[in-house]
Parts: sequence; C-alpha cells; structure tokens
Amino acid sequence: DGGITQSPKYLFRKEGQNVTLSCEQNLNHDAMYWYRQDPGQGLRLIYYSQIVNDFQKGDIAEGYSVSREKKESFPLTVTSAQKNPTAFYLCASSMSNGYTFGSGTRLTVV
Amino acid sequence: QKEVEQNSGPLSVPEGAIASLNCTYSDRGSQSFFWYRQYSGKSPELIMSIYSNGDKEDGRFTAQLNKASQYVSLLIRDSQPSDSATYLCAVGSGGYQKVTFGTGTKLQVIP
Repeated sequence: DGGITQSPKYLFRKEGQNVTLSCEQNLNHDAMYWYRQDPGQGLRLIYYSQIVNDFQKGDIAEGYSVSREKKESFPLTVTSAQKNPTAFYLCASSMSNGYTFGSGTRLTVV
Repeated sequence: QKEVEQNSGPLSVPEGAIASLNCTYSDRGSQSFFWYRQYSGKSPELIMSIYSNGDKEDGRFTAQLNKASQYVSLLIRDSQPSDSATYLCAVGSGGYQKVTFGTGTKLQVIP
C-alpha cells in the first residue's frame, strides 16, 4: 500500500543533542512538508520541498534543517539551536488534492 | 500573515444530530479548501476537499464554500460517537497546495 512512513514514533533528545526524524513516501508525490503541532496551536509549517534538491523555509524554520536528496525521502534534523523542541512532528506529501500525513513522531526533551 | 480561524470548541451534539463546523479565512486569493479529522494522539486524515462555491457532499459529510464571505463549513449528518475528534480546516493558495491550518474544533458526539 502507498503511504508515508515516519520513524521513530517516539524520540527522546538530551540537551545539546541533534536528532533526525525520518520521513519516507512511496506515493510518487513531488511535494513534501514538515509540520510541528503543539497543544492548542494547530499545525505550523517548518520546511517544505517541491522538488528534489530544493526546499524552502516555512514559518518556524529556526533550529531545524532538512535535505531532499531523493524524491521519496525528506528527513528533518532538530538541532541544539531549537530551544523548545518538545512537540508532535508531522510529515506530509501532496500531489494535487490535499495532504497525506504520516503517523507522526513525538519528540520529548529529557 | 494568512489566517484561518476556527472556534476551538468543544462542540457537543447528541448522537444522530447534525454537527456544523465553521471556518473563516483571510486570504481572498485562496483556491483550495480542506477539512481534516484528527483523533487524539493521531495524525490528521483528509475527509473533504472543495474548490468552488457551493456544496459538496460525500456520504454523511457536506462541505460548503462561500468565497465572497471567505467562509467554509463542514456539516456532519447523523453524527456518531466515532465522529468525536478535532476537525482542522485548511486553506491553500498557490502551487503544490501549501496550506495554512486552523487550530481545529473539537467535536464531541454524546451517545
């Protein structure tokens, strides 16, 4: 079945540590997105990519980095510069009719 | 800043009733409109999309769009307890459907 796979489902980060969240899709979608969801704040766009080897900052890109070396993959790195990374991270892809979301990664700082 | 506004709720309706969820948006150039359902702790799931003024029906769901009033709504007929979730309104403009999400309305269907 086609879909988006995010891993891991739960991730714990220590202070000063960089962590990478994986996102893989087999839907052959060109565009991919990373959102962050905090309680009561809805989804906020971190980065998006419309084509391989190209990506743009969203509304809250500071402290995050991405790469898009393959059409299927769009990993997100949460760097030590992100001071409040505890959140639910959602990866999505789209072709022409709305987004398909992965199951999400819940990141907690310990 | 493009904005999408929703009442956070909770909206409580009895089982079998019609639930009406509303959303307003600020960008007059918006071209695509979506409703997502999100169960607690899960990722959003697309349930309706609408692109032109009027109504669009899919099973128990009807999406309504009024671009002049910058207003989009979702009606859920014969509401079931399994419909209890947060409903996110999303509005897109431009290519590749980069959308802005509202904060969601929590719906509670009381058996």
